[in-house]
Amino acid sequence: DAGVIQSPRHEVTEMGQEVTLRCKPISGHDYLFWYRQTMMRGLELLIYFNNNVPIDDSGMPEDRFSAKMPNASFSTLKIQPSEPRDSAVYFCASRRGTASSTDTQYFGPGTRLTVL
Amino acid sequence: GDSVTQMEGPVTLSEEAFLTINCTYTATGYPSLFWYVQYPGEGLQLLLKATKADDKGSNKGFEATYRKETTSFHLEKGSVQVSDSAVYFCALSETTSGTYKYIFGTGTRLKVLA
Repeated sequence: DAGVIQSPRHEVTEMGQEVTLRCKPISGHDYLFWYRQTMMRGLELLIYFNNNVPIDDSGMPEDRFSAKMPNASFSTLKIQPSEPRDSAVYFCASRRGTASSTDTQYFGPGTRLTVL
Repeated sequence: GDSVTQMEGPVTLSEEAFLTINCTYTATGYPSLFWYVQYPGEGLQLLLKATKADDKGSNKGFEATYRKETTSFHLEKGSVQVSDSAVYFCALSETTSGTYKYIFGTGTRLKVLA
């Protein structure tokens, strides 16, 4: 199994530019999560999807952030316009859709975003 | 709401020392509990989990027991190695919303010196 795949692994951009992060979840997983990790705030849940439908986006910091999941094998997190304070590592994770608290969440390797 | 509290780091130990990283939780219902490990430059990996009271999760010499009476899930290892240097996250899978999203602790950085 390939695991959760994220691209790019590193992104450096200038303030004001649009940034798109991509994620491919593990095949057969119905839940997809986007997290942000910074030294100051730790690991934050931004948004999650179930069967491609956004369930809870209360963690999205502001309107500059948007996420989509057009199909079961692909999701994007977009920041437009980007700001230096968006610099962080962004993780995608996926999980099976059984109604159980025991299922394991699997994380991708992350995208390190630097906004200059 | 549900929450997870971990001990502050960094924890610095000599090789072969005994490790304990404390984790306590508050939860409605009966969550599953997890320990994840993050090595430098990598994503989080599941280290071990326990799904009900008195369960013991174990992996790679690490252990943690689900203690409902003390609402704790402390991580232990009898003899740490330099390769165990990483950040360790305690998490619970909340049960009240029906989606079982994870609640993570703030992470504890472990440094093991040769």
